[in-house]
Amino acid sequence: NAGVTQTPKFRVLKTGQSMTLLCAQDMNHEYMYWYRQDPGMGLRLIHYSVGEGTTAKGEVPDGYNVSRLKKQNFLLGLESAAPSQTSVYFCASSYLQESRNQPQHFGDGTRLSIL
Amino acid sequence: DQQVKQNSPSLSVQEGRISILNCDYTNSMFDYFLWYKKYPAEGPTFLISISSIKDKNEDGRFTVFLNKSAKHLSLHIVPSQPGDSAVYFCAATYSGAGSYQLTFGKGTKLSVIP
Repeated sequence: NAGVTQTPKFRVLKTGQSMTLLCAQDMNHEYMYWYRQDPGMGLRLIHYSVGEGTTAKGEVPDGYNVSRLKKQNFLLGLESAAPSQTSVYFCASSYLQESRNQPQHFGDGTRLSIL
Repeated sequence: DQQVKQNSPSLSVQEGRISILNCDYTNSMFDYFLWYKKYPAEGPTFLISISSIKDKNEDGRFTVFLNKSAKHLSLHIVPSQPGDSAVYFCAATYSGAGSYQLTFGKGTKLSVIP
């Protein structure tokens, strides 16, 4: 059981370039999330999705876009990368809120460097 | 304004002794709290949680205590083992969050010395 898989694991971009981070989960979870983690900081929510075809902004959404065309996939896009977006990105998924005891399951992260 | 605070960036404990990790929160609406453990180059993994209707939850060597009046929770690990060396994140959420959004603290790096 793979759980939450993030692609790629590492990437180096130049300022202004664009890219898409892919998250796939095989647990049939309704909710999916994108976080970023910076040195000395906790995880901060970028965007999230409560179901296929729906997305919403989190705490730090600027400079990012997301799409959830399929229930199992959640894409994070950077249209014009900036050095401030250098970070480790984590994707997570979880069941509906009714199952409050179901925690979020995380992928292993994508380390992104913007030069 | 940081709503979930872990004021100790690091903690060192001898193997076999108790590890106590602390977390404070400011948002009185939070009603569900979780601890995650993170190893280098891996994603966080869920460890233990507690609802605000309880003041203690135990799972093996891990116990979480919640003091609602002080807006404080702590994670106790007894006995500590070298494999417990990791970064521990405290997280919180509330029913009105709608999507089970979590607010994380900055983490505490635990080192268990053999």
